[in-house]
Amino acid sequence: AQSVTQLDSQVPVFEEAPVELRCNYSSSVSVYLFWYVQYPNQGLQLLLKYLSGSTLVKGINGFEAEFNKSQTSFHLRKPSVHISDTAEYFCAVISGNMLTFGGGTRLMVKP
Amino acid sequence: DVKVTQSSRYLVKRTGEKVFLECVQDMDHENMFWYRQDPGLGLRLIYFSYDVKMKEKGDIPEGYSVSREKKERFSLILESASTNQTSMYLCASSLPAGTGTFGYNEQFFGPGTRLTVL
Repeated sequence: AQSVTQLDSQVPVFEEAPVELRCNYSSSVSVYLFWYVQYPNQGLQLLLKYLSGSTLVKGINGFEAEFNKSQTSFHLRKPSVHISDTAEYFCAVISGNMLTFGGGTRLMVKP
Repeated sequence: DVKVTQSSRYLVKRTGEKVFLECVQDMDHENMFWYRQDPGLGLRLIYFSYDVKMKEKGDIPEGYSVSREKKERFSLILESASTNQTSMYLCASSLPAGTGTFGYNEQFFGPGTRLTVL
């Protein structure tokens, strides 16, 4: 069985500050990991994914994430956030056709 | 451009009503999914369909049924709506996992339907 834990339900941050959204997973099989973003009143959009290769993955809008197998983590980072990054972020793991999501982290960027 | 559409963005129904949520995709995907999104719980899978007339239960199928008569359309049915089914419902579609590199294919999501049951 797989599970995903997002340790922070809300992260408030000032504009232009760095941010890290934390994600830990458990899985008994090979791990493919994802971050999705949901802007207000919209569906989910894929931000980035780790399938294999380099453990540092770059995504859209300046986000990146690092896969750490020993710590079973896949934390999302951005060095300088903008107001437009205000959204809910979901970490997920996939097995076959099935995605398992974390509980989500609401990023609130303040001016 | 890939597209998954859902019939309503907002829906208000009364307890006991039969509710239909419709999802249509134009990507010729075999797989379609219905998720429920609740604060703090993320997205939870209700039902999954891997072909026309084929379905599998997800993590929380109780109180729901589905219908897939055509490849492009996947309907979620609440036979008798209850207040605890007030939620955001998201539909997604994908190609089968086995056809993708690494045994994975991306899921594409619709905009969601926010259902309120009074």
